[in-house]
Amino acid sequence: QVQLQESGPGLVKPSETLSLTCTVSGGSISGPYLSWVRQPPGKGLEWIGFISYSGRTNYNPSLKSRVSMSVDTSKNQVSLNLISVTAADTAVYFCARHHSTGSYLIYHWGQGTLVTVSS
Amino acid sequence: EIVLTQSPGTLSLSPGERATLSCRASQSFSSNYLAWYQQKPGQAPRLLIYDASSRATGIPDRFSGSGSGTDFTLTISRLEPEDFAVYYCQQYGFSPLTFGGGTKVEIK
Repeated sequence: QVQLQESGPGLVKPSETLSLTCTVSGGSISGPYLSWVRQPPGKGLEWIGFISYSGRTNYNPSLKSRVSMSVDTSKNQVSLNLISVTAADTAVYFCARHHSTGSYLIYHWGQGTLVTVSS
Repeated sequence: EIVLTQSPGTLSLSPGERATLSCRASQSFSSNYLAWYQQKPGQAPRLLIYDASSRATGIPDRFSGSGSGTDFTLTISRLEPEDFAVYYCQQYGFSPLTFGGGTKVEIK
């Protein structure tokens, strides 16, 4: 059973960069896309984007100007960077694995990590 | 982008009752790439239904999905205590992937 673990700072200052890492264990990072999804406290889910093991990305247009993702296959990790954060970026950030190669279906989720944007 | 509207916002029911949740899309997608997730407080979402009507691995058969085009439904035939949660629909036929606003199923 593949497991996903998000990690990174729980507190980021306004205007700075939010950086998170997702480590994949129990399986290879190759194959299905890995997405990032976020959820502000008490609110719904928002898809941020996905990355393939080869580095192909697809970002939500609403965040595209501030988002970048990368992959490190040697460490079985993907990373998320979100620049120029504001309080509106406070959320639980989930890493999630898609069902199969090329599928857009999100199948398995990490436990999520809360990131608070505050000075 | 495809906007998904879920109704009702909150459903108050008793254990053993039937729950019917609706998800309406702003435009039709013939692929039926529509999923339903369950989320409990402090937990990640869990995939219940994909391709509008296929149950994910390990999901009890009291959960069923139906619909096509722009109108989709999640039905829980008899609510168990562990089914009280928030349910989200999501389309994965088009980028950007989008979620509905959620329906909370609460104990009456």
